[in-house]
Amino acid sequence: DTGVSQNPRHKITKRGQNVTFRCDPISEHNRLYWYRQTLGQGPEFLTYFQNEAQLEKSRLLSDRFSAERPKGSFSTLEIQRTEQGDSAMYLCASSLGDRNGDGYTFGSGTRLTVV
Amino acid sequence: AQSVTQPDIHITVSEGASLELRCNYSYGATPYLFWYVQSPGQGLQLLLKYFSGDTLVQGIKGFEAEFKRSQSSFNLRKPSVHWSDAAEYFCAVGAREYGNKLVFGAGTILRVKS
Repeated sequence: DTGVSQNPRHKITKRGQNVTFRCDPISEHNRLYWYRQTLGQGPEFLTYFQNEAQLEKSRLLSDRFSAERPKGSFSTLEIQRTEQGDSAMYLCASSLGDRNGDGYTFGSGTRLTVV
Repeated sequence: AQSVTQPDIHITVSEGASLELRCNYSYGATPYLFWYVQSPGQGLQLLLKYFSGDTLVQGIKGFEAEFKRSQSSFNLRKPSVHWSDAAEYFCAVGAREYGNKLVFGAGTILRVKS
């Protein structure tokens, strides 16, 4: 197991284009989280899945954002009609859910730049 | 509302000196508390975590943190800082009642001078 993997590491896109990011969690982890981190800030929660079910979405996740985890394994985060304000680091994390003593494992993130 | 405050945006310490990074939280449930470290352009690495029990927790890289419920604090300490500790540090709080999603502080950037 090599940890949480995110692809791509960097994405530069023109405003108005659609982008999709992928996250591969640690294989036995049933929970998967997406966070967004802008410059000078801590990560902010976007959404999370338990297995394939999306259990919560933040108000930060506008209608242009959609996330899926179709088979309870990898997840994708899509941003439609990107705006310059979407420029940020998008972080994925996974965990064993309700188990006490478990913290997240974060991936290295996907840095999105909208020009 | 849940919130985490890291009062110090930047801290500079000399190599070999002791370090304390402050974290205060406001949370409506029994919290889980974490400290993460982030190097530029990288993801977050877990340093240590508190769920219950002994309020002094040991982490990796020689870090420790103490949970003080009466002060709603979870300060991070290290007795002797190394140049490689220069990074940004984030305190975070979560709870089972909130789906274990984390609320992060804004971070403290640590600079180490030789």
